[in-house]
Parts: sequence; C-alpha cells; structure tokens
Amino acid sequence: AAGVIQSPRHLIKEKRETATLKCYPIPRHDTVYWYQQGPGQDPQFLISFYEKMQSDKGSIPDRFSAQQFSDYHSELNMSSLELGDSALYFCASSRGPGNEQFFGPGTRLTVL
Amino acid sequence: KQEVTQIPAALSVPEGENLVLNCSFTDSAIYNLQWFRQDPGKGLTSLLLIQSSQREQTSGRLNASLDKSSGRSTLYIAASQPGDSATYLCAVLTTGNQFYFGTGTSLTVIP
Repeated sequence: AAGVIQSPRHLIKEKRETATLKCYPIPRHDTVYWYQQGPGQDPQFLISFYEKMQSDKGSIPDRFSAQQFSDYHSELNMSSLELGDSALYFCASSRGPGNEQFFGPGTRLTVL
Repeated sequence: KQEVTQIPAALSVPEGENLVLNCSFTDSAIYNLQWFRQDPGKGLTSLLLIQSSQREQTSGRLNASLDKSSGRSTLYIAASQPGDSATYLCAVLTTGNQFYFGTGTSLTVIP
C-alpha cells in the first residue's frame, strides 16, 4: 500500500539559509499535517491543511510557512534557519480532518 | 492547552509478558486518540485509533481502551516479543483540531 512520501530524507543547511521540505500524502488523502520532533522530544504539531486551505496552526515559527497544492502535496518552507531548527520533520496525512493519521518517514534537518 | 502524559517513561520486561502502557490527557474535549510506535530515528507507525465515542479497539496482540471522562487510555500488549521493543506514543486530536503527543514510553522486551 502507498504510504506518505517525504523528501528529502536528510538535509544539511547552514545558519540563515532556507530549506524546503516536501510531503506527498497517501492517494485520496486530503489533509496534511506537519510536525517537528527535536532530539529526545515528542513530536510537536506545526500546521495542517485540508483541501488546500490552512486548517490549524500550532507552534510554527513565523520564519516557517507552508502550503498545500492542487495535487494535495505540501511544502514546508523554512527561512533564516537557526541551530535550534535541527530536528526530524514529519508529515502525516489523513482522509479528512479528525481521522487516522499516517506518518511519513520524516526529513532529518541538520543546521550547522 | 492539552497536556498528554505517559507512564511509565521506560519499561523493561522479559519476553512473553503481558504489559500495560498508560496515557492520560488533561482536556476531555477530544475527537480521537491514536497510539503509535516509533523505532529509534524512524517515523511513527500507527497502531490503533479510538474515536471519542468508542471504548476500545483491538488489533492482533494489541488492545487500547479509552475513558474520555477520566482522561485516560491504556495500551495492552499481550505476549510481548523482542520485536515490540520501541517507543510507544499516544496522541490526542482535540476538538480544536490540534494533535498533541504524549511523552512516550520506551519499551524493551528482553529475549
């Protein structure tokens, strides 16, 4: 069965650079969620989209933005990267808000 | 803000034992509760989803219960195996459509 795809799987950036993470949901899933998991921490909700519109916002910094496109894939754009942004970034998708979420393998971002 | 706590933080059991992981949440206004497992440095695998109107869900050796009024859920793992070793996370989806994860229980099953 198709799963959530995230790219890239690993990304190394320097401080003050920008990064773009991509998420491709499971086919027919219209809802996408982004999470950030720091070392030794539980995942923190960043933002979600439903039918290409922002649905809810969590602890997403103002330096980050995201959108969902017409094919339902989503991109998380991160600017002015800081050392503290180093983390695993997960994307999850579901068929409609409030339903079971399926997670991608994550993108490991390292900021040097 | 919803707070989700899991007890114990770590658990080590011999193979074959039955075990219970606990999850508690402070705000009972939830849509659902989901249990995940996470292997080191890997993604999250969904184990069970319990809707707020349900009391329990079962999948194979796993059984999860939900008592929304008391803000508690338990994950019961029967006949544990070394392959069950992982971190188990519970997460609640609030009626505000935000997803909050618990602090996790690190499980080690000793052969």
